[in-house]
Amino acid sequence: DAMVIQNPRYQVTQFGKPVTLSCSQTLNHNVMYWYQQKSSQAPKLLFHYYDKDFNNEADTPDNFQSRRPNTSFCFLDIRSPGLGDAAMYLCATSRAGDEQFFGPGTRLTVL
Amino acid sequence: GESVGLHLPTLSVQEGDNSIINCAYSNSASDYFIWYKQESGKGPQFIIDIRSNMDKRQGQRVTVLLNKTVKHLSLQIAATQPGDSAVYFCAERMDSSYKLIFGSGTRLLVRP
Repeated sequence: DAMVIQNPRYQVTQFGKPVTLSCSQTLNHNVMYWYQQKSSQAPKLLFHYYDKDFNNEADTPDNFQSRRPNTSFCFLDIRSPGLGDAAMYLCATSRAGDEQFFGPGTRLTVL
Repeated sequence: GESVGLHLPTLSVQEGDNSIINCAYSNSASDYFIWYKQESGKGPQFIIDIRSNMDKRQGQRVTVLLNKTVKHLSLQIAATQPGDSAVYFCAERMDSSYKLIFGSGTRLLVRP
């Protein structure tokens, strides 16, 4: 089945230790998104790629970076995780702005 | 650790009853709207969408109503089942954008 896959599902890191979350898709969608979601809140868009074009949200901290080496894969890098970065991180894809398909998320814990 | 989240509005319904979840959206230029269902520990799951040139769309057991005059969106779930228990988010897309703006969410609890 075509889908959005996120790895790992659970990630534990130490304060300040860089971490990378990965997302892959078999839908061949040209837009990929990264969201941060905290408990009982709506997903908050961090950035998105339209093909290779990177679009950062104005309020996304510099601590968050992203890479998209090809159509299928997109990575979220957190350079120096703080306690406030503990959250669920959701990857989504869409075909040029239509319905977004979400992955299962990666739950990040910062110790 | 994770900061304490906001308290989600909660709708509690009896199994078998109909549910109506409401959403006020923010931008009159929005042209596309989606309802997502999110179960605990999972990613949001598409339920139904509607474009701004429509005021009603029906799916299996679900209906979305759009009132552009008052910028209001609703999701109706017929014969609500225990498996419908989840958090429901509406989302709007502004014209010519690839981004969705999510509403704050409503938790639906189905009583057996």
